[in-house]
Amino acid sequence: DGGITQSPKYLFRKEGQNVTLSCEQNLNHDAMYWYRQDPGQGLRLIYYSQIVNDFQKGDIAEGYSVSREKKESFPLTVTSAQKNPTAFYLCASSETSNLPYNEQFFGPGTRLTVL
Amino acid sequence: QQQVKQSPQSLIVQKGGISIINCAYENTAFDYFPWYQQFPGKGPALLIAIRPDVSEKKEGRFTISFNKSAKQFSLHIMDSQPGDSATYFCAASIPSPIYNQGGKLIFGQGTELSVKP
Repeated sequence: DGGITQSPKYLFRKEGQNVTLSCEQNLNHDAMYWYRQDPGQGLRLIYYSQIVNDFQKGDIAEGYSVSREKKESFPLTVTSAQKNPTAFYLCASSETSNLPYNEQFFGPGTRLTVL
Repeated sequence: QQQVKQSPQSLIVQKGGISIINCAYENTAFDYFPWYQQFPGKGPALLIAIRPDVSEKKEGRFTISFNKSAKQFSLHIMDSQPGDSATYFCAASIPSPIYNQGGKLIFGQGTELSVKP
């Protein structure tokens, strides 16, 4: 089955710890994205990457870091510098080559809770 | 100027009724307007999308109406069913200035729809 997988589904972190959220896609998509979702708010873009070894900050990048060493993988690290990391994290991907528009496909999400 | 404003925040509709969700934007550079449906604990899924050169798009019970001059677009769900109860997000896409391709999506705040039996 083609799709986007995120792991783990639930993650608990102690204050001061860094944690890494996994996102893998087998859709052969060029672009990948990380969003944060909080109750009553829309999706806010953290980072995005349109090709391997390149990525750009989104609207709320502070306290987060990413890497894009492989086309199919785009892990997100939530660092201890992120002051309010408890949220639902969503990964997405899209095929940008030869397409003028941006149809994004989402993974099932990871719910991060800071204890 | 890159915001997308969505209303209402929540909506309750009787089964068989019409659900209408509205979005407004300012940036005329937006070139693609999708709607996403999200069930609790799941990732959003693309429902229907429209380009600004079209005023209406219909797929089954779902219709997007697009008013370019007013910079507004809306989702209409005809014959609403309890299974449509979910959170709906509108979004707008702006081309990437780096790659001249589909860039990032700007999302509205979401509408929680509840369809009563």
